[in-house]
Amino acid sequence: SQTIHQWPATLVQPVGSPLSLECTVEGTSNPNLYWYRQAAGRGLQLLFYSVGIGQISSEVPQNLSASRPQDRQFILSSKKLLLSDSGFYLCAWTPDPEIRPNYGYTFGSGTRLTVV
Amino acid sequence: AQTVTQSQPEMSVQEAETVTLSCTYDTSESDYYLFWYKQPPSRQMILVIRQEAYKQQNATENRFSVNFQKAAKSFSLKISDSQLGDAAMYFCAYRGGIDSGAGSYQLTFGKGTKLSVIP
Repeated sequence: SQTIHQWPATLVQPVGSPLSLECTVEGTSNPNLYWYRQAAGRGLQLLFYSVGIGQISSEVPQNLSASRPQDRQFILSSKKLLLSDSGFYLCAWTPDPEIRPNYGYTFGSGTRLTVV
Repeated sequence: AQTVTQSQPEMSVQEAETVTLSCTYDTSESDYYLFWYKQPPSRQMILVIRQEAYKQQNATENRFSVNFQKAAKSFSLKISDSQLGDAAMYFCAYRGGIDSGAGSYQLTFGKGTKLSVIP
């Protein structure tokens, strides 16, 4: 069966410090991967998605970046955090939509980031 | 661009009663998929139910069912026999079909409805 792991669960970082959140998927290959941010407990904003290794699409201009160094690994990074980067970050995966378009997303358990 | 609207920021229901959460969407596509997700206080996103637009029959999963009105672009969620564990944020989501292109495979979410269950 497929599983998705996301860590850390909680993070408190000072303004200006770097960030690295990691997400890995097991039990599948060539997944589509996504990073979402949820601020103030409402609404999910798509930040990045990836359809393959090294392929990253950004939906929102900001000081965050994403990378996909391996097929089932997705990393969200920042060189210098801002206060506005605080929020709840969710990683998600889905099978190739051309094969299973109705599958929907499976989400990780999320990372609560507080920038102080 | 597709948009998903959930017009009820908060709702409440008595335990064992039935509640319906509303969702409307805007799209020019004919092939697409709709989902309801539940986010309990743990904040884990859980898929509740899905509906393919090409299917006329409304999806059902145990106590959860949908009323899919394609012409009206409406996709409501009905929870029967509400239980305390149903208390959560509920998000409606839209996904385009494969003819929409790779970028449209992303899910577009509504802003959510917070459901409280009263004992």
